[in-house]
Amino acid sequence: AQSVTQLGSHVSVSEGALVLLRCNYSSSVPPYLFWYVQYPNQGLQLLLKYTSAATLVKGINGFEAEFKKSETSFHLTKPSAHMSDAAEYFCAVSRSGNTPLVFGKGTRLSVIA
Amino acid sequence: NAGVTQTPKFQVLKTGQSMTLQCAQDMNHEYMSWYRQDPGMGLRLIHYSVGAGITDQGEVPNGYNVSRSTTEDFPLRLLSAAPSQTSVYFCASRGPGQEAFFGQGTRLTVV
Repeated sequence: AQSVTQLGSHVSVSEGALVLLRCNYSSSVPPYLFWYVQYPNQGLQLLLKYTSAATLVKGINGFEAEFKKSETSFHLTKPSAHMSDAAEYFCAVSRSGNTPLVFGKGTRLSVIA
Repeated sequence: NAGVTQTPKFQVLKTGQSMTLQCAQDMNHEYMSWYRQDPGMGLRLIHYSVGAGITDQGEVPNGYNVSRSTTEDFPLRLLSAAPSQTSVYFCASRGPGQEAFFGQGTRLTVV
């Protein structure tokens, strides 16, 4: 069975600092991997996705993630945090292109002025 | 392009009542799913469907029922609401090899 572990339920960074949100997955086959963002009282919006093309994936709002098979990781980074990045972030994995997404428990990002 | 539309946005039920949460998508996706979101638990899969007439259970199916008579619609039925079903419910659809597209959610309170 697939699973996703997001390290840290809450991460706090200063405005302008590096954002690093960690995601490790377990999957028996090369997976599809996703990062979603959720702003308060809204649905989930895709930040980026890995689908076995380039291992470094660039997404919206300056975020990127690197797929590392040897570490079974897909950590999300952004060089410089903005106040508008404050939200909850979810990592998700699926076994194939037409199977359920399994989500991590989420990481709430706070940005301090 | 509306994407995934959920209704209602908010609902309060009494224990034991039944209701249907509606979900419709206009992207012609075969795959649709329902999740519930609870604080600290992430999104947990309730039921999913890979096409009209085909449904399957997810991680937390008890107390919920689904059917899929058309490609566009995937309603979620609560048979006898319980306080433990107080949650935010999200419907999603997915094309082959694509990401999942989510509705805006239904916030359900069972008293």
